[in-house]
Amino acid sequence: DAGVIQSPRHEVTEMGQEVTLRCKPISGHNSLFWYRQTMMRGLELLIYFNNNVPIDDSGMPEDRFSAKMPNASFSTLKIQPSEPRDSAVYFCASSWWGLGNQPQHFGDGTRLSIL
Amino acid sequence: GQQLNQSPQSMFIQEGEDVSMNCTSSSIFNTWLWYKQDPGEGPVLLIALYKAGELTSNGRLTAQFGITRKDSFLNISASIPSDVGIYFCAGVYQTGANNLFFGTGTRLTVIP
Repeated sequence: DAGVIQSPRHEVTEMGQEVTLRCKPISGHNSLFWYRQTMMRGLELLIYFNNNVPIDDSGMPEDRFSAKMPNASFSTLKIQPSEPRDSAVYFCASSWWGLGNQPQHFGDGTRLSIL
Repeated sequence: GQQLNQSPQSMFIQEGEDVSMNCTSSSIFNTWLWYKQDPGEGPVLLIALYKAGELTSNGRLTAQFGITRKDSFLNISASIPSDVGIYFCAGVYQTGANNLFFGTGTRLTVIP
């Protein structure tokens, strides 16, 4: 079975540029999560969706960050404009949420470097 | 958000030794999960615990959901070199919610 698929795996770009990270959740899962991982702050939840609806975006650092989930099989995390402090590994995870929650399964992440 | 205190931060052990790590919180959690992360990859689920007192094994791994619902531990028996990685605990805090709070991780090094 295909797991959570993220693209690109690596992104290097100059500050000020727009960055778009993509995620395809596991088929059948109805919850999707975006995380950021850094050495200093560990794994931080940025935003999550249930049934394509954003539930909690309190972890989104600032207005430069936005996330969408136009359908059950695709989500994007966008940073515009990007800054060097946005450099991190960004993970997407998905799970089934409902009667009997199931654990989250993670993608392999996008390593983002902003120069 | 809720804080999970994970210890130890790092461990250096000889191959064949047993390992124990734990996670505590000042709040009650409804679900405890343990993940392992290898370099360049995402966290991979090892064990999920849903009931207070639950003890679950997955091969050489054993984890327990504390009866107070404020802690969990993970044991690894007879460690091998491929156990190297970062182990994270995670918990679901609110009933009906599905967002996870993560511990800070335990970095395990196994010396052959």
